[in-house]
Amino acid sequence: GAGVSQSPSNKVTEKGKDVELRCDPISGHTALYWYRQSLGQGLEFLIYFQGNSAPDKSGLPSDRFSAERTGGSVSTLTIQRTQQEDSAVYLCASSPRGRGNTEAFFGQGTRLTVV
Amino acid sequence: DQQVKQNSPSLSVQEGRISILNCDYTNSMFDYFLWYKKYPAEGPTFLISISSIKDKNEDGRFTVFLNKSAKHLSLHIVPSQPGDSAVYFCAAYSGGSNYKLTFGKGTLLTVNP
Repeated sequence: GAGVSQSPSNKVTEKGKDVELRCDPISGHTALYWYRQSLGQGLEFLIYFQGNSAPDKSGLPSDRFSAERTGGSVSTLTIQRTQQEDSAVYLCASSPRGRGNTEAFFGQGTRLTVV
Repeated sequence: DQQVKQNSPSLSVQEGRISILNCDYTNSMFDYFLWYKKYPAEGPTFLISISSIKDKNEDGRFTVFLNKSAKHLSLHIVPSQPGDSAVYFCAAYSGGSNYKLTFGKGTLLTVNP
């Protein structure tokens, strides 16, 4: 595709269940980022990938959150034992070289609601 | 601890007038600032940026001003158009961590025809 694609667009899950959010970056982009936006808040950095490695995962809120990237392409953000405070829009972005966010393109986000 | 603050949740202006969106920051280590624009159900898109070594950057109708001593930046849109109606996020980063943006909460701009 031409842009960053995220799936699903919306996800409603019960508290305690695990969820997986997927990001398909722009082809050829080596850097990939995950952010989240909780209600009434700005975007919050979660994790950064360069290729398949995550040099910085300092933004992951707890050990219930994990992410991986395979083949230098698709990334999956997994949240285990979801809590209501995990409800947010999860945004993925990718850039060609990971140098400079002016080059980062965002997906439309996955709206996660934990009930 | 909010390091990037956009104190106005919303702003409404008339078409053709100037829109001024403000942003304050507390972290003196920030050395690069960006503005993003976000339409509903879409991801943010990059609009304009400024390095801390400059005090002004202009791109068409959009100008960003940086006042380092006041730790304040602003985005000016002249003339405003209805298509500019969106949420505008101010963001910043420091040093080599240019992947790690710190965002403000955003300002919803409405440009009325």
